[in-house]
Amino acid sequence: DAGVTQTPRHEVAEKGQTIILKCEPVSGHNDLFWYRQTKIQGLELLSYFRSKSLMEDGGAFKDRFKAEMLNSSFSTLKIQPTEPKDSAVYLCASSPGAEQFFGPGTRLTVL
Amino acid sequence: QQKVQQSPESLIVPEGGMASLNCTSSDRNVDYFWWYRQHSGKSPKMLMSIFSNGEKEEGRFTVHLNKASLHTSLHIRDSQPSDSALYLCAASMAGNYKYVFGAGTRLKVIA
Repeated sequence: DAGVTQTPRHEVAEKGQTIILKCEPVSGHNDLFWYRQTKIQGLELLSYFRSKSLMEDGGAFKDRFKAEMLNSSFSTLKIQPTEPKDSAVYLCASSPGAEQFFGPGTRLTVL
Repeated sequence: QQKVQQSPESLIVPEGGMASLNCTSSDRNVDYFWWYRQHSGKSPKMLMSIFSNGEKEEGRFTVHLNKASLHTSLHIRDSQPSDSALYLCAASMAGNYKYVFGAGTRLKVIA
């Protein structure tokens, strides 16, 4: 059974660029989450979808971060424009309700 | 805004020893607690969950919950070097699968 997949695994961007991260949840999971993880801030919720509907858009992350769930099996996170402080690991997780299953993450470096 | 506080920030225990990790939520509406383990360079994976007052044991791992004080603790007996990881505590409410994560406790087990 396939777990959560994320692509790319690593991304290097210049300041001001637009980047798109991709996530495929576990088949049949209704909930999808995007997180950002840094050593300083820990795990921060960026977006939360339930059955493709946006339930939470992460407040402070609204201005340059936009997550979309185009269908039940694919989600994207767009960061536009990128800033050096966006350098972090971006994790996608899906859930059938309750336990969350995390993907391997995308490590983003913004120069 | 709900906060989840974990202590200690870091912990070193000898191989074979007992590790005790603590977690408290500031939100009285919290119903569920989760413990995730994240090895270096990997994504978080659920270790244990607890929803009712009392204790739950799975192998070397025991989790306690006191709902009145919104405090949970994770105890690892006979700690092994492979237990060295970041331990994340999360809290959620019934009917809402969004987690709030604590900053984590970094455990190191030395041989």
